[in-house]
Amino acid sequence: QQQVKQSPQSLIVQKGGISIINCAYENTAFDYFPWYQQFPGKGPALLIAIRPDVSEKKEGRFTISFNKSAKQFSLHIMDSQPGDSATYFCAASKGGSGNTGKLIFGQGTTLQVKP
Amino acid sequence: GAVVSQHPSWVICKSGTSVKIECRSLDFQATTMFWYRQFPKQSLMLMATSNEGSKATYEQGVEKDKFLINHASLTLSTLTVTSAHPEDSSFYICSVPGWGTSGRSQYFGPGTRLTVT
Repeated sequence: QQQVKQSPQSLIVQKGGISIINCAYENTAFDYFPWYQQFPGKGPALLIAIRPDVSEKKEGRFTISFNKSAKQFSLHIMDSQPGDSATYFCAASKGGSGNTGKLIFGQGTTLQVKP
Repeated sequence: GAVVSQHPSWVICKSGTSVKIECRSLDFQATTMFWYRQFPKQSLMLMATSNEGSKATYEQGVEKDKFLINHASLTLSTLTVTSAHPEDSSFYICSVPGWGTSGRSQYFGPGTRLTVT
């Protein structure tokens, strides 16, 4: 019930293409779904996050799509750039609107954007 | 967001010694901080929740006597790895709750690379 499953494990996209990473969760009590970007040797950086009261959120080239009934959410990176090459983690937690609670992370996706 | 620092950024120690890692929240007062461990090419695993003014809450399977956590103030939490062994070599990262565009969010420090020889 605490798992978050992420796919694919790795992804290669041409520059300018769309990168899509998917996550599925089991615990219906989760109410906060962030995506993090991590470069080698660095801490994860918060990219974008969504709460279950909306089905989509967009910030710049990054969009989260959220399907509450299917218990799935995905990250879309539009116009992918070589600088986007990194590892991406989805996560989920429960804690109410005032808290994030403990984050449960997906397995991670290594994205390579080819020039 | 929140700005989080960690010190040191990397440390090498000998087996059997203890190492202290600091996590500071530079712009938020945090009653709660989180400590994660990440092995190479793996995901982040929550080790414990650091609570200001009270005992830390450890995740199942994490030895609380080995990984000592002290939340000394609203801006500082420390993780001490006691009697370190080579299998403790890992990337240790802390996180701090803060406010972002999605409301309450979590922000991570830059991490500390521990190598035990």
